[in-house]
Amino acid sequence: AQSVTQLDSQVPVFEEAPVELRCNYSSSVSVYLFWYVQYPNQGLQLLLKYLSGSTLVKSINGFEAEFNKSQTSFHLRKPSVHISDTAEYFCAVSSNTGNQFYFGTGTSLTVIP
Amino acid sequence: ETGVTQTPRHLVMGMTNKKSLKCEQHLGHNAMYWYKQSAKKPLELMFVYSLEERVENNSVPSRFSPECPNSSHLFLHLHTLQPEDSALYLCASSQDRLGGSYYGYTFGSGTRLTVV
Repeated sequence: AQSVTQLDSQVPVFEEAPVELRCNYSSSVSVYLFWYVQYPNQGLQLLLKYLSGSTLVKSINGFEAEFNKSQTSFHLRKPSVHISDTAEYFCAVSSNTGNQFYFGTGTSLTVIP
Repeated sequence: ETGVTQTPRHLVMGMTNKKSLKCEQHLGHNAMYWYKQSAKKPLELMFVYSLEERVENNSVPSRFSPECPNSSHLFLHLHTLQPEDSALYLCASSQDRLGGSYYGYTFGSGTRLTVV
């Protein structure tokens, strides 16, 4: 079985500062890893995913995440945040057989002007 | 427009009421899901439909009753709910049952349910 831990429930950060949202997972099998974002009053949207290949994956809006197998982590980073990045961010993991999928509890990112 | 539309956006109902949540997708996906989102808890998978057949029911109380009349529509019928059922209910779809775990899910905006 897999599980996902998002260590920070809330992360306040000033506009244009860098941010890192942490995600650790546990699994006995190979996994796929995802970050979803939920803007206020909206559903979840897929932000980026790691399936295989390069361990560094990027989104179109400047976020990136790195798969670290030895540390079982998939932290999300952005070098300079904008007000519009204020949202809830969910890390998720699935087995590479695809029959199990788990979300973390989410991290609320608040960007302060 | 996310491709998955949920109605209503907000619903307040008494514990003796009967109501239904509706979800619609025109993405050509073959799998649809109901999730419950409560504050500070992981998303809870409630039901999974694949090609209109229920393939997963995660110990959800019988006061929640899903219905999938075709691959584009999913309903969640509610009756005699409890205040602790108040939450955001999200509908999602994926290309197929395994595709969600590979390609990702498309979520609707959710129905904010309040049980009084």
